[in-house]
Amino acid sequence: QKEVEQNSGPLSVPEGAIASLNCTYSDRGSQSFFWYRQYSGKSPELIMFIYSNGDKEDGRFTAQLNKASQYVSLLIRDSQPSDSATYLCAVRAAGNKLTFGGGTRVLVKP
Amino acid sequence: ETGVTQSPTHLIKTRGQQVTLRCSSQSGHNTVSWYQQALGQGPQFIFQYYREEENGRGNFPPRFSGLQFPNYSSELNVNALELDDSALYLCASSPGLAAYEQYFGPGTRLTVT
Repeated sequence: QKEVEQNSGPLSVPEGAIASLNCTYSDRGSQSFFWYRQYSGKSPELIMFIYSNGDKEDGRFTAQLNKASQYVSLLIRDSQPSDSATYLCAVRAAGNKLTFGGGTRVLVKP
Repeated sequence: ETGVTQSPTHLIKTRGQQVTLRCSSQSGHNTVSWYQQALGQGPQFIFQYYREEENGRGNFPPRFSGLQFPNYSSELNVNALELDDSALYLCASSPGLAAYEQYFGPGTRLTVT
């Protein structure tokens, strides 16, 4: 079992719709959770992080965390073609090491 | 732009050779982490440096080594290159061990032939 699992996609979403991305993790000691966006040929850029159960909103993005279910998700509202990218879920346990999932590729179609 | 820079941008090496990759952290950041990202996969943690000391290492062999300098810039050295070392090498800087944010540089694309 991989430490951090994501559906590789592609997740195809019409422009203006909500994209829902999921991530599960195996280490119950994980303390903080991150979503990065990576455009093709570029490096990952931090979208947001969450460390408490519940929802955290930042603009069109909402991260949701459920530690009991070891599950974190990202919602992208009003999806735009510029949101087409690979979204990486990362988890941090002790220390500052990030463990990444394989990423979900999102395609927003006009 | 994160303020993290890496050099070179691209590199082609032959199997068995050695390579050195460089990273300049964002101003005020004393922690640098290195990751390897193979094509189609998520980044994998190689190691981290905090105030010039190694502070954690991932599942990589000893031929992957690093340094951090007093100005907090860092180097990743890989000896005896193998074909599977072909990947995007990313460094990420953060303002401290407890910081949530890690900001990635643009990466170095290494191709081993």
